[in-house]
Amino acid sequence: DAGVIQSPRHEVTEMGQEVTLRCKPISGHNSLFWYRQTMMRGLELLIYFNNNVPIDDSGMPEDRFSAKMPNASFSTLKIQPSEPRDSAVYFCASRPPANVLTFGAGSRLTVL
Amino acid sequence: GDSVTQMEGPVTLSEEAFLTINCTYTATGYPSLFWYVQYPGEGLQLLLKATKADDKGSNKGFEATYRKETTSFHLEKGSVQVSDSAVYFCALRGSGGGADGLTFGKGTHLIIQP
Repeated sequence: DAGVIQSPRHEVTEMGQEVTLRCKPISGHNSLFWYRQTMMRGLELLIYFNNNVPIDDSGMPEDRFSAKMPNASFSTLKIQPSEPRDSAVYFCASRPPANVLTFGAGSRLTVL
Repeated sequence: GDSVTQMEGPVTLSEEAFLTINCTYTATGYPSLFWYVQYPGEGLQLLLKATKADDKGSNKGFEATYRKETTSFHLEKGSVQVSDSAVYFCALRGSGGGADGLTFGKGTHLIIQP
């Protein structure tokens, strides 16, 4: 099993640009989570999906952030427009029912 | 809401020293408790877990006991190695409905010197 796959691993962009982060969960995992990691705030849950349906997006910081899961094997996190304070490492994680989370390697975003 | 508090780092130890990283939590009901480890440039990996009071999770020489009376889940290892250098996160999964994501502590950076 290849694990949770995220892309890109690193992204550097300029303020105002659109950023799209991608995640492929482990096959058979029905829950998918997006986390953001910063030095100041640690790990924050942004949104999670069960069976492709968004369940709780209360952690999404503002309307510039959106997430989709069009099918069981793919999810995106989009930031439009991006700002320097969005710079962070964004992690995707998935898990099967009633089991533990498996994290991807993360996408490091730098917004200049 | 649920919260996790863990000791601030960095924690610097010599090889073969005894390790304790403190973790306390606030949650309603009976949460499940976890320790995750993050090596440089990588995602978080599950280290160990405990799902009910007095359970002891263990893996790779690390142990943690779920203490409901003190709401704690301290991580211990008897003899650390340089390869244990990483960031360690304590986390909980609430038992209430809809509490499906993990709540993490801020992480403790562990540095082991040869």
